Amino acid sequence: GAVVSQHPSRVICKSGTSVKIECRSLDFQATTMFWYRQFPKQSLMLMATSNEGSKATYEQGVEKDKFLINHASLTLSTLTVTSAHPEDSSFYICSARSRGSNEQYFGPGTRLTVT
Amino acid sequence: LAKTTQPISMDSYEGQEVNITCSHNNIATNDYITWYQQFPSQGPRFIIQGYKTKVTNEVASLFIPADRKSSTLSLPRVSLSDTAVYYCLVGDVRLYNFNKFYFGSGTKLNVKP
Repeated sequence: GAVVSQHPSRVICKSGTSVKIECRSLDFQATTMFWYRQFPKQSLMLMATSNEGSKATYEQGVEKDKFLINHASLTLSTLTVTSAHPEDSSFYICSARSRGSNEQYFGPGTRLTVT
Repeated sequence: LAKTTQPISMDSYEGQEVNITCSHNNIATNDYITWYQQFPSQGPRFIIQGYKTKVTNEVASLFIPADRKSSTLSLPRVSLSDTAVYYCLVGDVRLYNFNKFYFGSGTKLNVKP
């Protein structure tokens, strides 16, 4: 099946710094990628939808200037958490949809801890 | 924005069949029903997807009544490793649609020995 990877799997950063999370589709071209955030014991919350070569569409309540999303190629999307604060600590998960498929493939997630 | 309602948790024993029902009263004509499984600190894993009637694959069956306002995921003979959260999602999966998924609360299945 299609594989989506994320890097890093976990990251610890200091408050005020920025951190970038990569999401890659390893064996297919992802025309659309999605970013989710999941707090402990809660469900996944959709943050934004990104299409290759165009600006991301953010869900209501998600700050686009704080969570920068770039979908520069058909196999890579990045999420940059800018000026991170402890409340941004969460599990970030990406998913990707390939051209010609109606299935969404999820990455393994990235655990972000802001100290 | 989640369009689904599921029981928060369920308990079962190894070897039993487990049925998890999901309500989606406002399902749209073009919406499909998709179920995912999630283990702690992992991304969701696709289980099964259907539009109507019954769908079966190697791990589960999905039953969808004619009015499509609910669906039931059936897991045959569960094992301890099936302990996870199960999410039911509805969405338009047509090829040229963004296919956004809004996750509901999910059902925490606890399989006991």
